[in-house]
Amino acid sequence: NAGVTQTPKFQVLKTGQSMTLQCAQDMNHEYMSWYRQDPGMGLRLIHYSVGAGITDQGEVPNGYNVSRSTTEDFPLRLLSAAPSQTSVYFCASSYSSQGVGGYTFGSGTRLTVV
Amino acid sequence: AQSVTQLDSQVPVFEEAPVELRCNYSSSVSVYLFWYVQYPNQGLQLLLKYLSGSTLVKGINGFEAEFNKSQTSFHLRKPSVHISDTAEYFCAVSKGSNYKLTFGKGTLLTVNP
Repeated sequence: NAGVTQTPKFQVLKTGQSMTLQCAQDMNHEYMSWYRQDPGMGLRLIHYSVGAGITDQGEVPNGYNVSRSTTEDFPLRLLSAAPSQTSVYFCASSYSSQGVGGYTFGSGTRLTVV
Repeated sequence: AQSVTQLDSQVPVFEEAPVELRCNYSSSVSVYLFWYVQYPNQGLQLLLKYLSGSTLVKGINGFEAEFNKSQTSFHLRKPSVHISDTAEYFCAVSKGSNYKLTFGKGTLLTVNP
């Protein structure tokens, strides 16, 4: 089924460990983004990409890296995990930079850093 | 910078009652407005969107929203809610040529029997 696929669905990390959250879409969307969701905070933008080879920072980029080597994939890297990065992470994509068609969200990755 | 304010963090209602979830935004330029719904342990799903034209927008599951430019509001309404509407609802705004979607903090709608 067409959509946004995130892996893994759950992950527990120890402080200082690194990992990559995977995101793939098969809709040929140019625009992809990563959000984190925390209770009472809504969704906050971490990084986004407007096409292969182009990325930029969002509202809360510290501690995260991204790259976009293909249209389909947009992985999010945690360089050295901290308890403050415990959150639910969502990847989203859209064919329009203004979200005119609406954004398609993945089902999320629930990350716990201990 | 644009911002989105959802005025109620929680809204409890009884089944078959009407509901309004309030959303205000701040922006000096034209914006696109969205409502998303998140059911427990799921991702976000687009409920409806305002891009231009008619200020009354109809979405899925019987929801509708009205864009009011003078009051910079985009309130979500449903005339009769069901137990299955229990979820968290997010208002979001995308500005002109800006690539960022800004979300409100969400409103938890709980429908009681």
